[in-house]
Amino acid sequence: AQSVTQLDSQVPVFEEAPVELRCNYSSSVSVYLFWYVQYPNQGLQLLLKYLSGSTLVESINGFEAEFNKSQTSFHLRKPSVHISDTAEYFCAVSGVGGAQKLVFGQGTRLTINP
Amino acid sequence: EAGVAQSPRYKIIEKRQSVAFWCNPISGHATLYWYQQILGQGPKLLIQFQNNGVVDDSQLPKDRFSAERLKGVDSTLKIQPAKLEDSAVYLCASSDVGGFAFFGQGTRLTVV
Repeated sequence: AQSVTQLDSQVPVFEEAPVELRCNYSSSVSVYLFWYVQYPNQGLQLLLKYLSGSTLVESINGFEAEFNKSQTSFHLRKPSVHISDTAEYFCAVSGVGGAQKLVFGQGTRLTINP
Repeated sequence: EAGVAQSPRYKIIEKRQSVAFWCNPISGHATLYWYQQILGQGPKLLIQFQNNGVVDDSQLPKDRFSAERLKGVDSTLKIQPAKLEDSAVYLCASSDVGGFAFFGQGTRLTVV
């Protein structure tokens, strides 16, 4: 069985400041890791994913996450946030292979203050 | 390509009533998931279909929840009778073999 812990339920930051959203996972087997973003009253959108290879993965809108196997972490970072990044962010884990179910963390609400 | 379609977007019912949600996955996606997202929590898998067969329904409260996926395409999730604690957003997602899950916008259910 897998589990995900997101260490912060809310993270307030000022616009253009850097941010890190923390995620730790637990699994007895190899995993894929994901970050999803949920804007108000919308469904989940895939932000980025780690499958294999380079441990640093990037999204098209400036977010990046690094897979750290020894620390079982997959923290999400952005060097400079914008108002439009205000949303709920979910870390998720699945088993390796196709069509595996996702196990989600509790979510982190990112609030950007002007 | 068209995304995962869900309806209705919002539903308010009284406790002990029944309700049904509909999902149309992305064309060609063999796997379909229903997740329940209670306010302030991450989504939790209720049921996973592969074509029209159930792969995982271990967390589906089978005394009141049911789901079907006829012909391996559209799916419906039903709650009968509803309880106050069923208030949540119900998310449908689909993926192709070896692919990753794409989510619909969800149905927000309020039980009063």
